Formats: sequence, C-alpha cells, structure tokens
Amino acid sequence: DAGVTQSPTHLIKTRGQQVTLRCSPKSGHDTVSWYQQALGQGPQFIFQYYEEEERQRGNFPDRFSGHQFPNYSSELNVNALLLGDSALYLCASSYYRDLSTDTQYFGPGTRLTVL
Amino acid sequence: AQSVTQLDSQVPVFEEAPVELRCNYSSSVSVYLFWYVQYPNQGLQLLLKYLSGSTLVKGINGFEAEFNKSQTSFHLRKPSVHISDTAEYFCAVSGSANSGGYQKVTFGTGTKLQVIP
Repeated sequence: DAGVTQSPTHLIKTRGQQVTLRCSPKSGHDTVSWYQQALGQGPQFIFQYYEEEERQRGNFPDRFSGHQFPNYSSELNVNALLLGDSALYLCASSYYRDLSTDTQYFGPGTRLTVL
Repeated sequence: AQSVTQLDSQVPVFEEAPVELRCNYSSSVSVYLFWYVQYPNQGLQLLLKYLSGSTLVKGINGFEAEFNKSQTSFHLRKPSVHISDTAEYFCAVSGSANSGGYQKVTFGTGTKLQVIP
C-alpha cells in the first residue's frame, strides 16, 4: 500500500518564476492538505482540497493556488516566486471527516529553493 | 486563535536515559493535541494524539504524553531513549470540530532530540 507520494523531491527556481508541486494521497484517502515548512519552523497550513474544491485556507496570498483531480491527487501552484517561498512543502492526506480527529498521513515533501 | 509553544529548540540526552519534550498550547476552545516526529529528509509521522478521555496517551515507539488542562500542557515523554529516536518532534493543536469541515492544525516550531551514545 503506497503512502503519500510527492514530486519532485527537490526543485530550484528563480524569483518571479512559477512552480507546480504534485501529491498523490494514500490509497483510499480523499482529502489533501498542503503545508509550508520553512527552515527551523513548524509546518504552516496552506489549504485543503476535497471533492476537487478548496475547503479551507490558511494565511497565504493568492499566489498560492491548488487543484485536486478526480483521482484525488493534487497540485500546488505558486506564482511570482519570492525568496521567502523557499521551504519544504508537505502534502498530507486523510478522509474527509473531522480532520481534527483523523490521522493525516504526510508525504516526504518537496524542497523548493528560490534563488 | 490557537498557538503552540515548544520552549526547547534542542534537547540532548544520553542513550537509555529518560526524556521529556515540553509543549504548551493556548486556545479559546476545546482542543485536540498531537505529537509528530520528523526524521531527516522525511515527512511527519504521527506519534500520538489526545482527543478526549484519559489524559495519559500512549503512542508508538514507547512514547507517551499527558494532557494537563489546568497547565495547558501536553508534554511528551519516553522512559528510555534510543539512538533511533534522534529526530525533530512537533507538537500540534487543533480546535475540537463542529460537524464537518476542517479544523486548522497549528504546529509548534519543533524540538530537536539528539540522543548521545
């Protein structure tokens, strides 16, 4: 049973560019959440997708957008990259129930470096 | 609003010694509490969670945590650590949910546990 997978593992971009990160949830899961983990910090919630719609959003600008596909996989897009966007981006999957009580399974993350 | 404070950024401890990683939270509502572990170059793995009931929660790898509502704490403990426990540990909190919908999970800044041979 494959867990949460993310691609690519590492990515280097320059300021102003756009990036797309991908996530495949654990088998049977229907909800994907994205987190940004800056160096030395805990993960910060970006947004959550269920039934191909953004359900909740954290304090991130509109430059951060996402998508969920019918097979529950998801993409995170970041436009107009800033140096401060450099971070580990984590994807977590779960069932769409009360996500406070359900276990979120995290992927290994994508390390984004913006130069 | 909710927040999590992990006062210790790094905790060195000798192998087979006990360890306690501290976590304090603040929230205006009832909370759910979590501890996650992150090994180098990996994602987060859930160690244990407190939802309700017994305030002593047992998790994987011999870890346990105690919910103390009066002190708003959820400290993580292990009686005897191993080299393999070297990792970063994150405490997290979410508000107890109404029916349906996502309750935002707020993470602390993490504590790096360094087990010394």
